Amino acid sequence: DAGVTQSPTHLIKTRGQQVTLRCSPKSGHDTVSWYQQALGQGPQFIFQYYEEEERQRGNFPDRFSGHQFPNYSSELNVNALLLGDSALYLCASSSDRGVRMNTEAFFGQGTRLTVV
Amino acid sequence: EDQVTQSPEALRLQEGESSSLNCSYTVSGLRGLFWYRQDPGKGPEFLFTLYSAGEEKEKERLKATLTKKESFLHITAPKPEDSATYLCAVQPRPGSARQLTFGSGTQLTVLP
Repeated sequence: DAGVTQSPTHLIKTRGQQVTLRCSPKSGHDTVSWYQQALGQGPQFIFQYYEEEERQRGNFPDRFSGHQFPNYSSELNVNALLLGDSALYLCASSSDRGVRMNTEAFFGQGTRLTVV
Repeated sequence: EDQVTQSPEALRLQEGESSSLNCSYTVSGLRGLFWYRQDPGKGPEFLFTLYSAGEEKEKERLKATLTKKESFLHITAPKPEDSATYLCAVQPRPGSARQLTFGSGTQLTVLP
């Protein structure tokens, strides 16, 4: 089991550019959530995808958008990058089925985004 | 609004010196409380989920407990390899929000 995989691991972008981050969930998981983690802080929820639709969204602007594909993998897109978007972006996968549904979330290694 | 507060922010222990990390929470009905370990520059590693007050779970030198207002992560006879940031998160009952709300973490350093 490969677990949750994210790509790329590191990325450097210029202010105003756009970026796409990718996530493949753990085998058997159908729900993908994205989080932003600034240095020294806990992860902050961006949004969650289930059945190819955004099911829930945190307090992030519309510059942050996403997509989920039929194979449950997901992308996070950020437009018009700001310096403050520099952070570790984490993908978490979970299952929305069964007794313990959505109660164990496994994270990928993250993508370190630096905006200069 | 769901809130999670972790204390202390940082903790330095000598190898073998047992201690506890605290996670205080307010949530509109708790579905689960999660503990994660995070090494620098890496994603959080899942440790435990606790579902109801009085529940306890153990893994090697770690033991997590839960009350109606807080959770503790007890570390018994820690080793240098236990050095990491420990994150606590809550998830409210289904039918409302599904996201995890995290605390800022406790940075643990275990000295040899």
